[in-house]
Amino acid sequence: DSGVTQTPKHLITATGQRVTLRCSPRSGDLSVYWYQQSLDQGLQFLIQYYNGEERAKGNILERFSAQQFPDLHSELNLSSLELGDSALYFCASSVTDLNTEAFFGQGTRLTVV
Amino acid sequence: AQKITQTQPGMFVQEKEAVTLDCTYDTSDQSYGLFWYKQPSSGEMIFLIYQGSYDEQNATEGRYSLNFQKARKSANLVISASQLGDSAMYFCAMREGEGGSNYKLTFGKGTLLTVNP
Repeated sequence: DSGVTQTPKHLITATGQRVTLRCSPRSGDLSVYWYQQSLDQGLQFLIQYYNGEERAKGNILERFSAQQFPDLHSELNLSSLELGDSALYFCASSVTDLNTEAFFGQGTRLTVV
Repeated sequence: AQKITQTQPGMFVQEKEAVTLDCTYDTSDQSYGLFWYKQPSSGEMIFLIYQGSYDEQNATEGRYSLNFQKARKSANLVISASQLGDSAMYFCAMREGEGGSNYKLTFGKGTLLTVNP
């Protein structure tokens, strides 16, 4: 158990809908990272938050947004969902923003039908 | 150009033998970090080992060691005494830089390791 908790584990939704994925980092970790893993794109970095502030942005679509709350949990919001958004979404956390040891949650498997 | 290249889509090894998974990287940064993760069929990503670009010694964690050859830009993972439970997808990843916004990890496409009894 990495200590990073993601909910839900599985999510099935229809095209055009909006979903929220939740991540609780390991105790004491200030940094949260979101990644998307799909068959065609592999593992891609989406966005990073450090102590509530956005720190880095990757290949995140404008339909996607994220935030980190004062208690350090983070949410990834995906809207106007398309079939191609079906993927495994991972959250990772680390103590510092230098990411020397990033621990991943078990992921949320999103299926858009 | 790909930043992380894993040239072995699949590897087979006999139980109890050692295996090397290849990883080469491309960066112009002086400061960077290299990671290996294991992803079993259940899907979770398990952190295995980390090597900083300034670390002079190769990183080791139990049965895992990282063969870091900076001049060749390679960071191969060596698993000693393979076990059946080592069968999984293995990803090499890199963090570039130590300032600004360069905190993301860039992943390779992975190597699927199968350990045979």
